[in-house]
Amino acid sequence: DTAVSQTPKYLVTQMGNDKSIKCEQNLGHDTMYWYKQDSKKFLKIMFSYNNKELIINETVPNRFSPKSPDKAHLNLHINSLELGDSAVYFCASSQTGGHQPQHFGDGTRLSIL
Amino acid sequence: AQSVSQHNHHVILSEAASLELGCNYSYGGTVNLFWYVQYPGQHLQLLLKYFSGDPLVKGIKGFEAEFIKSKFSFNLRKPSVQWSDTAEYFCAVTTNNFNKFYFGSGTKLNVKP
Repeated sequence: DTAVSQTPKYLVTQMGNDKSIKCEQNLGHDTMYWYKQDSKKFLKIMFSYNNKELIINETVPNRFSPKSPDKAHLNLHINSLELGDSAVYFCASSQTGGHQPQHFGDGTRLSIL
Repeated sequence: AQSVSQHNHHVILSEAASLELGCNYSYGGTVNLFWYVQYPGQHLQLLLKYFSGDPLVKGIKGFEAEFIKSKFSFNLRKPSVQWSDTAEYFCAVTTNNFNKFYFGSGTKLNVKP
């Protein structure tokens, strides 16, 4: 069974469109995250939710809006997509606590035409 | 703010060579340290972690890392690499206050058969 699953795996779309990426974890974790990995492989946190509450909100354009309907799900909606949004987006989850490792999904490769 | 530096951006080794990848962080308080590996086209997987106790930690696949507090370092080592170790390696740091991971920029390892 996949622990952290995100869909879709690939997303190719045009500038200006609105798209969503879904993430689900079946590990019973209470904290979930979205990361953006750019073309140079640099990983940067975007958002984190703990028990459906937003706890980390980095400097991200407000075109990006996370939604956590329950603690097992964290979706990412992106409005008015721009060329610079092209990247791989990773979802992750963990238990609360700085020493807890994060478990990552397979990533969603977003390509903007 | 905390930061994590991985000075080796690209390392090329022959099989059976020894590996050491550097990781330094900037934070004066208590830290939790992690090494993750990302095989081509895959998600990040935890190699090992340190949060207390013996500063020499052993992880999966023969990897180990040593936490040297005075040097703010957590270098990753493997005595004899294999072709299958070809991947991108990420060092990450959290503090006990939070689950917020600070990732290094990654080191790409190529092992020649």
